[in-house]
Amino acid sequence: DAKTTQPPSMDCAEGRAANLPCNHSTISGNEYVYWYRQIHSQGPQYIIHGLKNNETNEMASLIITEDRKSSTLILPHATLRDTAVYYCIGHGGSQGNLIFGKGTKLSVKP
Amino acid sequence: EAGVVQSPRYKIIEKKQPVAFWCNPISGHNTLYWYLQNLGQGPELLIRYENEEAVDDSQLPKDRFSAERLKGVDSTLKIQPAELGDSAVYLCASSPGTRSDTGELFFGEGSRLTVL
Repeated sequence: DAKTTQPPSMDCAEGRAANLPCNHSTISGNEYVYWYRQIHSQGPQYIIHGLKNNETNEMASLIITEDRKSSTLILPHATLRDTAVYYCIGHGGSQGNLIFGKGTKLSVKP
Repeated sequence: EAGVVQSPRYKIIEKKQPVAFWCNPISGHNTLYWYLQNLGQGPELLIRYENEEAVDDSQLPKDRFSAERLKGVDSTLKIQPAELGDSAVYLCASSPGTRSDTGELFFGEGSRLTVL
């Protein structure tokens, strides 16, 4: 599975969009990009995943560059409850396992 | 629908004592995972089950850790004897299907172990 690189921490003002970057320059053609988040004292929670096209669901949007070497998770209107560690993971499925890095600690501030 | 249930939520033991964690996955989920999470780090896979078969236990320290999923549903992770360095959160997760191509896992809240 691809190695990913994320900034260790980010701040965002409440109500503003939070844009969390991830570099995955070694991702292979059949590997998806997955995003999870982990709120303090809870288990990780799946957010969204994508392969090539941009994806959107009720939680977030995922923008993947055309060369697939990086992606951005967008929380359109961040709330205080979005304060969490966000993990970007490259996953090839089937035999592969999810490999978590240290993620980005997002702090949403009033 | 009930999520992944883990118990106990917290456990404090002295070193060299045994400890066991229990996990009940989401109904119908064939794949079950145990992860270990140290403070400030992301979760690390210990073992993955597909039904009752351990298909990946390469990261499980087999000298002191053991796991079982006898009927392909509930699972137990045991540490005997526990060491100070085993203090961590032990997370259980499940996903539907076998050899699934999905990376969508459903995690429990974890069991926090403190070894004194």
